[in-house]
Amino acid sequence: SQQGEEDPQALSIQEGENATMNCSYKTSINNLQWYRQNSGRGLVHLILIRSNEREKHSGRLRVTLDTSKKSSSLLITASRAADTASYFCATDPGGNNRLAFGKGNQVVVIP
Amino acid sequence: EAGVVQSPRYKIIEKKQPVAFWCNPISGHNTLYWYLQNLGQGPELLIRYENEEAVDDSQLPKDRFSAERLKGVDSTLKIQPAELGDSAVYLCASSSPSYNEQFFGPGTRLTVL
Repeated sequence: SQQGEEDPQALSIQEGENATMNCSYKTSINNLQWYRQNSGRGLVHLILIRSNEREKHSGRLRVTLDTSKKSSSLLITASRAADTASYFCATDPGGNNRLAFGKGNQVVVIP
Repeated sequence: EAGVVQSPRYKIIEKKQPVAFWCNPISGHNTLYWYLQNLGQGPELLIRYENEEAVDDSQLPKDRFSAERLKGVDSTLKIQPAELGDSAVYLCASSSPSYNEQFFGPGTRLTVL
């Protein structure tokens, strides 16, 4: 069964705007990961945040984690057309790399 | 560095036929995963290997699905017989013990008619 659930499911923005998407999960986790999937490059790992971390940055990406609310958010700043993709959160409850993916969040960046 | 290789990329078969997918992970990656991804959904784990041992196959429908990783390198996933509901993308991924990041192949899109 799917562990994470992203919200909103679909997002359309203009190039240069920021895009924010959220993910909620049900059980305790060791870490939470975000992946991107587009037709050109398949499924690619973006960033991992551990359960004892609250915020993490990687380039134009910012991820937050609130374990008390069992939720995470992914912010993409200054979006580009190349950011058009589906974004998935994946939780790793046991820390053994058995990932449970959410349903995905489709982002369309309009040039 | 070469990524995860999968073949074929596309496969169309009639129901009740057998089908096999092949995966070659990134060199040095001990852990190999097979996922199923339905349209509009996230990947779902079918089986996970540590070297040649299947350490997590609880989600693999064993009545029709089988997998092997005989030498702890490349792997084959088989479906026999295929059903209409098996139409999906089958993804292979690999990871090394040092990192939690999983590297995915391009997937095989299976269509069962």
